[in-house]
Amino acid sequence: ETGVTQSPTHLIKTRGQQVTLRCSSQSGHNTVSWYQQALGQGPQFIFQYYREEENGRGNFPPRFSGLQFPNYSSELNVNALELDDSALYLCASSLVGVDTEAFFGQGTRLTVV
Amino acid sequence: QQQVKQSPQSLIVQKGGISIINCAYENTAFDYFPWYQQFPGKGPALLIAIRPDVSEKKEGRFTISFNKSAKQFSLHIMDSQPGDSATYFCAASGGQTSGSRLTFGEGTQLTVNP
Repeated sequence: ETGVTQSPTHLIKTRGQQVTLRCSSQSGHNTVSWYQQALGQGPQFIFQYYREEENGRGNFPPRFSGLQFPNYSSELNVNALELDDSALYLCASSLVGVDTEAFFGQGTRLTVV
Repeated sequence: QQQVKQSPQSLIVQKGGISIINCAYENTAFDYFPWYQQFPGKGPALLIAIRPDVSEKKEGRFTISFNKSAKQFSLHIMDSQPGDSATYFCAASGGQTSGSRLTFGEGTQLTVNP
């Protein structure tokens, strides 16, 4: 177990709706990153938060947004859901520095119908 | 742009055999190269990682070989076991936040037959 927990584990939403996914970082970690993993593919970097500020974004549209809270927990929000948003969403926490390791949660399986 | 290319896509080995998975990268700014293991329905779990200042790192049955000039690295699993059957991802990152802004390969589905 990594100490990174995500909720909910599974979620079904309708196209056009909005969704919020949550992540609790490992104790002592100050950086959280979100990834999207489509079926049969490697995780794709969405964005990263450090000290409550977005610190880098991958090739995802603005309808993907996030927050990091003072206790280093985080949220991923997706607006105007599309069918292609169906994927496993992964949260990873780490501590900024050299040789830092990223620890992943179990993910949230989002299905958009 | 695919910056980390992984092969093979799938691999079948017999129990006790050696599993070898290869990755190649393009971005010379990458300076941290981890391998992750993922079981169905689970998040990726860090197996072993290497930095470019060494050419090989071994942890138990898992070894990373790194060739900086060729921009390639590989994972060797010695004495492969059925419990090793999973999807393996190579990844790479670079910069101050190294470790949590990862570029992943496409994955290799490993099956170890008993």
